[in-house]
Amino acid sequence: EVQLVESGGGLVQPGGSLRLSCAASGFSFSTYRMHWVRQAPGKGLVWVSRINTDGSDTSYADSVKGRFTISRDNAKNTLYLQMNSLRAEDTAVYYCARAEYFGSWGQGTLVTVSS
Amino acid sequence: DIQMTQSPSSLSASVGDRVTITCRASQGISNYLAWFQQKPGRAPKSLIYAASSLQSGVPSKFSGSGSGTDFTLTINSLQPEDFATYYCQQYHTYPLTFGGGTKVEI
Repeated sequence: EVQLVESGGGLVQPGGSLRLSCAASGFSFSTYRMHWVRQAPGKGLVWVSRINTDGSDTSYADSVKGRFTISRDNAKNTLYLQMNSLRAEDTAVYYCARAEYFGSWGQGTLVTVSS
Repeated sequence: DIQMTQSPSSLSASVGDRVTITCRASQGISNYLAWFQQKPGRAPKSLIYAASSLQSGVPSKFSGSGSGTDFTLTINSLQPEDFATYYCQQYHTYPLTFGGGTKVEI
């Protein structure tokens, strides 16, 4: 069974940093592109970032470019999202998802940016 | 960026109804279109990919169609567990984009 489990969310002050993790199991993690998607409270889904299978290529939404960094450790079957210079508008549930059509999702981790 | 426009934004339906949700892309995306179901407080669930391919384990009462710019999601024989918000998403071009959602209510 495919499982994606996010962790690392929490309350952080504006300008602070946080690193999210997504532990994958039940499939060949190293053969899939992986993504982060977020959802602000009461709002819709927004794609955040993508990484290719070996970590050599990444892309970002304009709203997070230069502040967020996606990475992966295929030996640990884990996806990461390093979030720096956090803003109030980054407050959201962050999901990791598998492949471009988001065939599998984690349960999400809540990030709250507030003073 | 490719804009995805869903309609309606919400609809009221009854158990047993057939429901159709439409999704329009601002430019052609071939069949690179997915549909998701989301219930309150839960992660989205993949229903359909490649516009019309059913995800494993998803009941056949869900169906998708379309290509290019116009797509539809149809739910036959609506059941209580189907009341949720549905999203379309294009994966033809980065940035990947979602429709605004359609809330299916009783």
